[in-house]
This record gives sequence, C-alpha cells and structure tokens, in this order.
Amino acid sequence: GNSVTQMEGPVTLSEEAFLTINCTYTATGYPSLFWYVQYPGEGLQLLLKATKADDKGSNKGFEATYRKETTSFHLEKGSVQVSDSAVYFCALLNQAGTALIFGKGTTLSVSS
Amino acid sequence: DVKVTQSSRYLVKRTGEKVFLECVQDMDHENMFWYRQDPGLGLRLIYFSYDVKMKEKGDIPEGYSVSREKKERFSLILESASTNQTSMYLCASSFRRMNTEAFFGQGTRLTVV
Repeated sequence: GNSVTQMEGPVTLSEEAFLTINCTYTATGYPSLFWYVQYPGEGLQLLLKATKADDKGSNKGFEATYRKETTSFHLEKGSVQVSDSAVYFCALLNQAGTALIFGKGTTLSVSS
Repeated sequence: DVKVTQSSRYLVKRTGEKVFLECVQDMDHENMFWYRQDPGLGLRLIYFSYDVKMKEKGDIPEGYSVSREKKERFSLILESASTNQTSMYLCASSFRRMNTEAFFGQGTRLTVV
C-alpha cells in the first residue's frame, strides 16, 4: 500500500540555519508528492509540490526534489526564519487522484 | 481563492451525544476528505468521498459515519461521542485527478466530556 515516512521532530534551529526534513514514500505507480505546512491554530496549507520524477517544487525559499530512485522528497531551506516555525507534513497522492496519504508531521521551532 | 469552510472552530459535546461536523467547499471539487489530527499520530484519514452519495472508509472509520448529499457539502457524524474522539478534525477537498493538491479547512477542535 501507499505510505509516507518523515523524520520525527521536533527540529530546533537558530535563525539563518540550514533546514532539512527527510521524507520517503512507498507507492505503486507514479504518485504526486507534496509538502504542507500548518501554522499554530490554522489548517494545512500547500507549501510546494512535484508531480513527476526529478521535478523540483519550490516556494518561500523552500525546495524539494522528487527522487524516484531513492523514493524521497526531502524538504530544504537555506536560511530559516522565526516565522517558519510550524508543523510540516509530507504527503503523496496516488496516481488515480483519490488517496491522499500524510506522514506524521515534523515540528520545526526556530529561535532568534 | 478556494474556500473550504468548517462549521465550527471549537466544539464541546457530552459523551453519548450525536455530533455533526459540517464542511462546505466552493470549488466544485469531486473529492472530499475527513481527517483527524492527534499529537504524534499525524493526520489519519477517517472517510473520503469521490462523488455525491459515494463514500469510502479510510484508516480509522470506527465510530464515525459520513453523508454527502450535495457535491459541495460533506458531513462527519459521530453517532455516540466518546472521550477518545476528542481531537482536531480537518476537512479537505480536491479535484479527482492526478497531480492536484487538496485544500483544507481551518479545523474543528472537538472536546468530548
């Protein structure tokens, strides 16, 4: 079946540090991959997505590359800000577009 | 902008009550989902619907039912609320096709006492 595994948090960083949050997946066919972010007290928002192998999604300084050979979609940012403190979820959508599967989420805390 | 609206942000109900959580979307999406979010467990799918009157069980359907009488509205029903159903409930919707993202509501924090 489909599944998503992401690194457990919390991740605690100082402002301007480099961020990596690992995400690997198991799926049949060719899923689409997403990173969602949840700020305190809010619902989930799409951060970025990639729909085929070697695609790079990017938004707000965050990037992730769809690596089919390693079944990975790691989230990176070169210089985090306090305002990036949130919970980050990796997700996959199956090829049929009907099953949206999430990882358990990684809490990021950035201090100044 | 896509809007997914959940009827309540906060809800407190008593054990044994029948509870209705409502979700409405305005983008003519075919798919609608209900998740619950608990610390350390992430988002777990309760039910989803890919068309009017159609529903599929997710990973944790026990104790829940759903209703989709109109395309824009997807209701989650707790037949007899229990304390272990205290959680954050998130509704989402999407087009039923490849490569498309889901849009989420603000969530309903339900407390069962």
